[in-house]
Amino acid sequence: DQQVKQNSPSLSVQEGRISILNCDYTNSMFDYFLWYKKYPAEGPTFLISISSIKDKNEDGRFTVFLNKSAKHLSLHIVPSQPGDSAVYFCAASAWTNAGKSTFGDGTTLTVKP
Amino acid sequence: SQTIHQWPATLVQPVGSPLSLECTVEGTSNPNLYWYRQAAGRGLQLLFYSVGIGQISSEVPQNLSASRPQDRQFILSSKKLLLSDSGFYLCAWSQQGGNQPQHFGDGTRLSIL
Repeated sequence: DQQVKQNSPSLSVQEGRISILNCDYTNSMFDYFLWYKKYPAEGPTFLISISSIKDKNEDGRFTVFLNKSAKHLSLHIVPSQPGDSAVYFCAASAWTNAGKSTFGDGTTLTVKP
Repeated sequence: SQTIHQWPATLVQPVGSPLSLECTVEGTSNPNLYWYRQAAGRGLQLLFYSVGIGQISSEVPQNLSASRPQDRQFILSSKKLLLSDSGFYLCAWSQQGGNQPQHFGDGTRLSIL
C-alpha cells in the first residue's frame, strides 16, 4: 500500500510556462509535506515544505499548495527554467514518527528551452 | 554549515562478498540519521534510521544491517551480498524532532555481479 503517490511519472513544459507537479497521500496522520529535487547521480535536495496548518507556502518561483480534505498537494514552478529539469519527489511525515518521511516515486520534469 | 559525506560513489562487488558503506555528518550534533535505497524509477525506501548512538531501527527485513558507532557516523553493512542488494543507496540526516527536512548525501551506486 503506497501511502504517497505521484501519478505522473513525467512532465514536459516549455521554458517560461508553469510546471505543476501533483502528489496524493492516504495517511491522515501525515502533517508535514515536503518536496525534494534530484539530479542524476546526486542525492535529493530539499526544496520546500508545508505544514498541515497551512494551505500554501511560497518560496521564490516555487509554491506548494495543500488540500487536506482531498489529501492532495501540488508544487507550482513559475516561470519554469531549463535548470529545473530534474526528478521531483513528494514526501510526507507525521510529527510522532521520529522524523521519518514516506516518499512518492517521483516525477521527472523536463523544461524545454 | 552542515555537510554530509557518503562514500564510495560507486562500488562493484561479487555476490557473497561483505559490504560497508560509510556516512558522516559535520556541523551539527545529535542528528537523526537515515539509510535509503532507491530502485530504478522508484522512490526512496527507508532501510534504517537512528535517533542516537547505538539506536538503530530497521524498517524492512533484509540482508543488510546498520550501526551508529559515533554521533555523526552511520554505517551500512552486509556479511554476504545478494544480487538483489544492487541499487542506489543514500544516507541522510535531519535535526532531532518531528517534521524536519532531510539532507542527503550524493549516494552510492552499488552493483552486485
